[in-house]
Amino acid sequence: NAGVIQTPRHKVTGKGQEATLWCEPISGHSAVFWYRQTIVQGLEFLTYFRNQAPIDDSGMPKERFSAQMPNQSHSTLKIQSTQPQDSAVYLCASSAGTLSGNTLYFGEGSRLIVV
Amino acid sequence: GDSVTQTEGLVTLTEGLPVMLNCTYQSTYSPFLFWYVQHLNEAPKLLLKSFTDNKRPEHQGFHATLHKSSSSFHLQKSSAQLSDSALYYCALSDSVGDNSKLIWGLGTSLVVNP
Repeated sequence: NAGVIQTPRHKVTGKGQEATLWCEPISGHSAVFWYRQTIVQGLEFLTYFRNQAPIDDSGMPKERFSAQMPNQSHSTLKIQSTQPQDSAVYLCASSAGTLSGNTLYFGEGSRLIVV
Repeated sequence: GDSVTQTEGLVTLTEGLPVMLNCTYQSTYSPFLFWYVQHLNEAPKLLLKSFTDNKRPEHQGFHATLHKSSSSFHLQKSSAQLSDSALYYCALSDSVGDNSKLIWGLGTSLVVNP
């Protein structure tokens, strides 16, 4: 059973360019989450979907960040006009449900470097 | 609001010594508590989660006890191994209704030296 798959694993982009990150959740999982991980801030919640519907995007920086889940097998996180402060590891996770206590299964992350 | 505090950013110890990583929390309701572990260049993965019936979860020699009186869920192991070197996150999930947005601590890096 494959885990959560994230691509690309590494991406270097120039300031002002766009970056798109992909996530394939575990088959059958109904919830998909995006997190940003940095040494200073730790794990920061960005957004999550349940059954493909956006539920909570309270962690998303406004204007430049967007996330979509066009079908149950993948989600994308898009960052427009990237800035150096966007450099981080972006983690996707999925879970079988959204009841409290459900385990999150993480992908290995996409390391974004903005130069 | 809900919060999780991990007081140590870095814990360094020698192989064979006991491990204790601190986690305290604030929550309006009775939460679930989790420990996730992330080895270098790997995905975070669940290590332990609290039970509702006061059982003590254990995995890979690690255990943690949820103490509601002190709002704590410290992670412990009797004897550290080199392979335990990793980043450990404590997280909280509110027990009320549908709440999947875990509240995370800042993480504790554990370095085990020979």
